[in-house]
Amino acid sequence: DVKVTQSSRYLVKRTGEKVFLECVQDMDHENMFWYRQDPGLGLRLIYFSYDVKMKEKGDIPEGYSVSREKKERFSLILESASTNQTSMYLCASSRGFGTAYGYTFGSGTRLTVV
Amino acid sequence: RKEVEQDPGPFNVPEGATVAFNCTYSNSASQSFFWYRQDCRKEPKLLMSVYSSGNEDGRFTAQLNRASQYISLLIRDSKLSDSATYLCVVPSNRDDKIIFGKGTRLHILP
Repeated sequence: DVKVTQSSRYLVKRTGEKVFLECVQDMDHENMFWYRQDPGLGLRLIYFSYDVKMKEKGDIPEGYSVSREKKERFSLILESASTNQTSMYLCASSRGFGTAYGYTFGSGTRLTVV
Repeated sequence: RKEVEQDPGPFNVPEGATVAFNCTYSNSASQSFFWYRQDCRKEPKLLMSVYSSGNEDGRFTAQLNRASQYISLLIRDSKLSDSATYLCVVPSNRDDKIIFGKGTRLHILP
């Protein structure tokens, strides 16, 4: 069964902390994505990567950075966590872009910044 | 028109009934779409693809109305386990990525 695995299901961090969210996929997909999901706002794309060491900003990259050192792993970094980054974070991977390819999501990390 | 728009619901439907909801999109060049299902506090999961000829999978039928620029999802003989949020996915106007709708909440009532 193909999988996208996120390292933590729930996290509680303090304001100002540096936070790492890890995501690993076993499908040999080229593309990986980080979204956040908030009530009433839906899924919003933070960053994505189409190859190792490549990254592109999504719609809401401010306050975040990413790292993709290996094809299977895509990390989201909150440089200095703030309370407005409290959210559900979802990682996804896909063989390609556009609607020709489905996205497979990880089970999500619910981050609370206090 | 917004890139993608869905009625947020909730749709409260008795078990066994048929329910349908739509998703409008603005990218007139769009060729294919998805419907995703998201259970409460879980990740979205691919339900079905939507092509120009439509798509049927058991009790679920997805259709595309290109002239009016919407896709629809119809669920027949609804089950309690169909209660979820249904997200439509459309191609972006701006680039080669996809846009998720905010979802329609469906509650199947016993």
